[in-house]
Amino acid sequence: QVQLVESGGGLVKPGGSLRLSCAGSGFTFSDYYMSWIRQAPGKGLECISYISSSSGTIYYADSVKGRFTISRDNAKNSLNLQMNSLRAEDTAVYYCARDYYDSSGPSSDWYFDLWGRGTLVTVSS
Amino acid sequence: DIQMTQSPSSLSASVGDRVTITCRASQSISSYLKWYQQKPGKAPKVLIYAASSLQSGVPSRFSGSGSGTDFTLTISSLQPEDFATYYCQQSYTRRSFGQGTKLEIK
Repeated sequence: QVQLVESGGGLVKPGGSLRLSCAGSGFTFSDYYMSWIRQAPGKGLECISYISSSSGTIYYADSVKGRFTISRDNAKNSLNLQMNSLRAEDTAVYYCARDYYDSSGPSSDWYFDLWGRGTLVTVSS
Repeated sequence: DIQMTQSPSSLSASVGDRVTITCRASQSISSYLKWYQQKPGKAPKVLIYAASSLQSGVPSRFSGSGSGTDFTLTISSLQPEDFATYYCQQSYTRRSFGQGTKLEIK
């Protein structure tokens, strides 16, 4: 079925590294922009990074720029997030999401139409 | 970066009530505005995109309006399953979310 499944979360010490992965299935992964969105405990949603279908366009939020690297492997239907120099404030559930462009109606728009269940990253000593 | 501000931050209402949540962008975002619903422990689900287009499968009691900087999400008659947190999100420039509105049972 159409789904996204994240993996790689866990407990890491401040300053450490972690690599998250997201496996897509049931759709043509290479057709879509993909994003990482995180949610700190009890807080709101933050889109921290996205990558275009061909990896030609990449965005990072200021909060992770220079520390996180997004990548994708369309042959393996996978999205990755390499997280270095982790801080306590990076503690969150990390979701991968498909960024869908809908031009079918009177107004076009991009929206996150498919989400994974999330993986928890805890940064603590 | 475009800042999205929702109001109220929390709201208590009863089943059957009509509820409106507002979202204001720090600059014009045309109609590049989405509304998501999130229940505890679950990923968000898109309800409305392009400010007023209802996502397939979403009940018609949900509606969205607005353009430019001011937007609203309206639930015409609250059902028990609607008690959740709602987020607006813009995609005019990059991607950013509002801080959320928690809708609770009165």
